[in-house]
Amino acid sequence: NAGVTQTPKFRVLKTGQSMTLLCAQDMNHEYMYWYRQDPGMGLRLIHYSVGEGTTAKGEVPDGYNVSRLKKQNFLLGLESAAPSQTSVYFCASSYPMDRFTYEQYFGPGTRLTVT
Amino acid sequence: GDSVTQMEGPVTLSEEAFLTINCTYTATGYPSLFWYVQYPGEGLQLLLKATKADDKGSNKGFEATYRKETTSFHLEKGSVQVSDSAVYFCALSDLAGNMLTFGGGTRLMVKP
Repeated sequence: NAGVTQTPKFRVLKTGQSMTLLCAQDMNHEYMYWYRQDPGMGLRLIHYSVGEGTTAKGEVPDGYNVSRLKKQNFLLGLESAAPSQTSVYFCASSYPMDRFTYEQYFGPGTRLTVT
Repeated sequence: GDSVTQMEGPVTLSEEAFLTINCTYTATGYPSLFWYVQYPGEGLQLLLKATKADDKGSNKGFEATYRKETTSFHLEKGSVQVSDSAVYFCALSDLAGNMLTFGGGTRLMVKP
């Protein structure tokens, strides 16, 4: 049981380049999330998905797109990278612990630098 | 909207010292509250949670009590170890339970 995995672990892009970050989970969770982590700002939600074939915008969606074609995978795309997108990106998936509470499981992160 | 405020770090302690990391929140209704921990180079892990007022979450010697009257969820540990060095995040969930709002994180450094 690998949990939540992310590919790649590190990446350096030039401004204007595109890339896709892959997140995979083997826990059969319905919900999946993409966050970015910046110093002193905690984690901010970019996009999320409540099930296969669905996506929704989070707090900071601009400049990113996502797809959830399979339940176990959640892809985050940057069409034209900008230096402001330099960050650490975390994927998470969640399941309900009880009627009102979900536990989120996080991947190890992808460190992206845009020059 | 919902928000979480944590004390800024870093917090530097000697081994076996007492730890308190303050967390206060603003939210609609009565959210569930969480502490997540991030060890160097890793993703976040759930440390403890509390789902209603006066609940106490505990794990690995850490405790936090859900205080509705002060809208707080302070993290405490009686005797920290070097292995507790990490970044700690306070978070709350929305009314549906599946969306989290995080505080800015507090870095803890424990010296031998």
